[in-house]
Amino acid sequence: SQTIHQWPATLVQPVGSPLSLECTVEGTSNPNLYWYRQAAGRGLQLLFYSVGIGQISSEVPQNLSASRPQDRQFILSSKKLLLSDSGFYLCAWSVRGYVGANVLTFGAGSRLTVL
Amino acid sequence: GNSVTQMEGPVTLSEEAFLTINCTYTATGYPSLFWYVQYPGEGLQLLLKATKADDKGSNKGFEATYRKETTSFHLEKGSVQVSDSAVYFCALSDRYSSASKIIFGSGTRLSIRP
Repeated sequence: SQTIHQWPATLVQPVGSPLSLECTVEGTSNPNLYWYRQAAGRGLQLLFYSVGIGQISSEVPQNLSASRPQDRQFILSSKKLLLSDSGFYLCAWSVRGYVGANVLTFGAGSRLTVL
Repeated sequence: GNSVTQMEGPVTLSEEAFLTINCTYTATGYPSLFWYVQYPGEGLQLLLKATKADDKGSNKGFEATYRKETTSFHLEKGSVQVSDSAVYFCALSDRYSSASKIIFGSGTRLSIRP
């Protein structure tokens, strides 16, 4: 069966420090991968999605970047964190090439607090 | 572009009450529609889905019908339980794209009183 892992689960970082959140998927090949952010009191915002190694689409200009160094690994990074980067970050995957109801499976999330 | 609009929360109901959470969408194509649920402290999980007009998705006593004429996908449950307390998200994806961006509404927090 497929599983998705995110870490770390909780992170407290000072303003200006770097960030690296990692997501890996097991039990499937060639998935679509996604990073979403859920800020306090707000909805779910799509940040990045990827259809293959090295292929990243950015949805919102911001202080973050994403990379996909391996087929089932998706990394969210920042060189210098801002206060506004605080939030709950969710990684998700879906089946590539499935046209129709493209269902997302989410990880448990990473809560980032920038102080 | 595509968008999803949900009713503002929080919604507070007593146990066994009838629930409706409104969702409307704007899409250029023929989207698939979803409801996801986020229980406290957890990630999101799929609740139900519908892929074409007049389809009804259902799961765990929840239902939603894809209404193309009103561009709506309202979530309903006849008798809610305390365990239904969660945040509910309406979402859509483009049916004809395998690498689809999946767009979510802002979420509706539901609290059920015993």
